[in-house]
Amino acid sequence: LAKTTQPISMDSYEGQEVNITCSHNNIATNDYITWYQQFPSQGPRFIIQGYKTKVTNEVASLFIPADRKSSTLSLPRVSLSDTAVYYCLVGDSGGSYIPTFGRGTSLIVHP
Amino acid sequence: GAVVSQHPSRVICKSGTSVKIECRSLDFQATTMFWYRQFPKQSLMLMATSNEGSKATYEQGVEKDKFLINHASLTLSTLTVTSAHPEDSSFYICSAPMAGGSYNEQFFGPGTRLTVL
Repeated sequence: LAKTTQPISMDSYEGQEVNITCSHNNIATNDYITWYQQFPSQGPRFIIQGYKTKVTNEVASLFIPADRKSSTLSLPRVSLSDTAVYYCLVGDSGGSYIPTFGRGTSLIVHP
Repeated sequence: GAVVSQHPSRVICKSGTSVKIECRSLDFQATTMFWYRQFPKQSLMLMATSNEGSKATYEQGVEKDKFLINHASLTLSTLTVTSAHPEDSSFYICSAPMAGGSYNEQFFGPGTRLTVL
């Protein structure tokens, strides 16, 4: 199981772009990269998933370099409501995958 | 998107009693569900994998006789905390991928806050 490393915390201000990088040096060929968002006292919520290059949806973008040993979650123009913990998970999509959460990154957006 | 519900959302019980937490996939079938526990300011810790129609698989250090899991249908898994003690007080969360879908995309329940007095 690929281990992930993220910054413990980040601070930003409203309207700024936030980039959170996750390291996963031993990612396997079949592994995908998935990011979740969790607000206090709520279950996590799926944000985005990717395998390589760039993926974009209505919420975020995910940048994955060619070696796939890291990935960057990009949140454009954050607002106060983006204050949350963001988790990066790595694993294959098959039934043997056990989703395991690391420490995550606590993002605080200031006015 | 797919919805997972949990019931109750919050429960307070006396030490020594048992508490059942339900996890339901409302609009999809889930042959597998995962149960997590989360203490304040900490990450989610996987407790067990619940498999429909078979025994659950517990993570190392999780007592299977204390945390009883039943996955009797494709939309319902239950976690029973037996003889609860104050140290069992935590936030319990379940998740499920769609049956036949990617395990990378988990749908999480809103969580159940258990307080044992």
